[in-house]
Amino acid sequence: DSGVTQTPKHLITATGQRVTLRCSPRSGDLSVYWYQQSLDQGLQFLIQYYNGEERAKGNILERFSAQQFPDLHSELNLSSLELGDSALYFCASSVEGLREQFFGPGTRLTVL
Amino acid sequence: GENVEQHPSTLSVQEGDSAVIKCTYSDSASNYFPWYKQELGKRPQLIIDIRSNVGEKKDQRIAVTLNKTAKHFSLHITETQPEDSAVYFCAASILGTYKYIFGTGTRLKVLA
Repeated sequence: DSGVTQTPKHLITATGQRVTLRCSPRSGDLSVYWYQQSLDQGLQFLIQYYNGEERAKGNILERFSAQQFPDLHSELNLSSLELGDSALYFCASSVEGLREQFFGPGTRLTVL
Repeated sequence: GENVEQHPSTLSVQEGDSAVIKCTYSDSASNYFPWYKQELGKRPQLIIDIRSNVGEKKDQRIAVTLNKTAKHFSLHITETQPEDSAVYFCAASILGTYKYIFGTGTRLKVLA
C-alpha cells in the first residue's frame, strides 16, 4: 500500500457524461500527478499540482480539468466523455525535493 | 518535444537468465531516471532509480546504467524469476520540473 488513495475503483458511464475522480495523496506530500493508461498503453502524464497550484501540464484534453484543494486532495474532472476516454487513471504523489512518485491503485473508467 | 523511447516492447526469457531493457531520452536536461514495475492489475511501483551524476546503480538482482552522452539508460535484471514477470516502465524527469515522461513499457515474461 503506497498511502495514496483513489476513489472510485471502477466507474462505468455513457458517452457525453461527466465524471469526477478523486485522489488523496500520502500524508505530507504536496504534489499530486494524474496519469492516463489506456489498454496495453504506457502512462500518459496529464497534469501536476503542487500545494494547490497547477505546476506542469502534459497531454491533457480541454474536456479534462483538475484541481487540488486546501486539504491537498485532488480531483480530475472528465466531461463530454468519449469511448476513447476509457482507461485506467492513476494519481501519484511525491514530497517536494524528492523525485519518487507513489502511485494510487487507479480508477478504471469505462465509457459505453 | 520531450520523448522517451523504450525497447523491446515484449521480452521473454528463461528463468535464471538475464533481461535487459533499454530507454533513450530526448531532452539533455533530464537528470533523474526511475524505473517502475507494474504487475497485472496493480499500480506502478518504483524499483530503482538513478540520477544523472551517477553512471550505474545496483540493488540486489537489478541494476541501472546511464550513458548521458548517448542519452540512454538501461535496466538489467539478473537471475530472473517468475515473479519478475510484469510490465516495466522507464521514465525521464526534466530538469526544473517534477514531470515524468514515461516510456511505452516492456512486458517481461519469465518462463519457468
